[in-house]
Amino acid sequence: AQRVTQPEKLLSVFKGAPVELKCNYSYSGSPELFWYVQYSRQRLQLLLRHISRESIKGFTADLNKGETSFHLKKPFAQEEDSAMYYCALSPSGGGADGLTFGKGTHLIIQP
Amino acid sequence: EPEVTQTPSHQVTQMGQEVILRCVPISNHLYFYWYRQILGQKVEFLVSFYNNEISEKSEIFDDQFSVERPDGSNFTLKIRSTKLEDSAMYFCASSSKSSYNEQFFGPGTRLTVL
Repeated sequence: AQRVTQPEKLLSVFKGAPVELKCNYSYSGSPELFWYVQYSRQRLQLLLRHISRESIKGFTADLNKGETSFHLKKPFAQEEDSAMYYCALSPSGGGADGLTFGKGTHLIIQP
Repeated sequence: EPEVTQTPSHQVTQMGQEVILRCVPISNHLYFYWYRQILGQKVEFLVSFYNNEISEKSEIFDDQFSVERPDGSNFTLKIRSTKLEDSAMYFCASSSKSSYNEQFFGPGTRLTVL
């Protein structure tokens, strides 16, 4: 069975500092990895997915199959980045696969 | 921009009662999902639905639960004989056929079982 681990429940950094939210996964095949974000009083929304290899709101994430990691990074944190961040995994079989989520990391950006 | 909607936003029920949580997925989406999040815990997958049938379900989705697409727009989750431990946020999500892994979430229904 697949599993997603986010070791940090809470991460607090100062504005302008680099941010790295850790995510490790276990899955026997080649999964698809995602980062979802939930701002205060808003719904879960997709931030980025590994197959897109794009930067969204300054965030990037690289899939490292050797380390089975998909860490989320941003070089300079902004106050509006404060939110809950969830790493999620989907088996790559296609179709209506359920996502397996990590427990989430609460990111607080201090002014 | 189209969004997934869910009603009600908060449902309070007595233990043993049946509840129906409602979702309106994005109109051209074909895949539908239910997740739940017990307070302080992770978001957990319950079930996915495609082509008018269950596509995948988790161990949580036992005989107490059922899903239905009663018409062309609604997608419902029924929980029979609710238990205290069913108290949670329930999220509906949908995705399109061309981008089935990009799931769009609703705002959630908070279910409180007393």
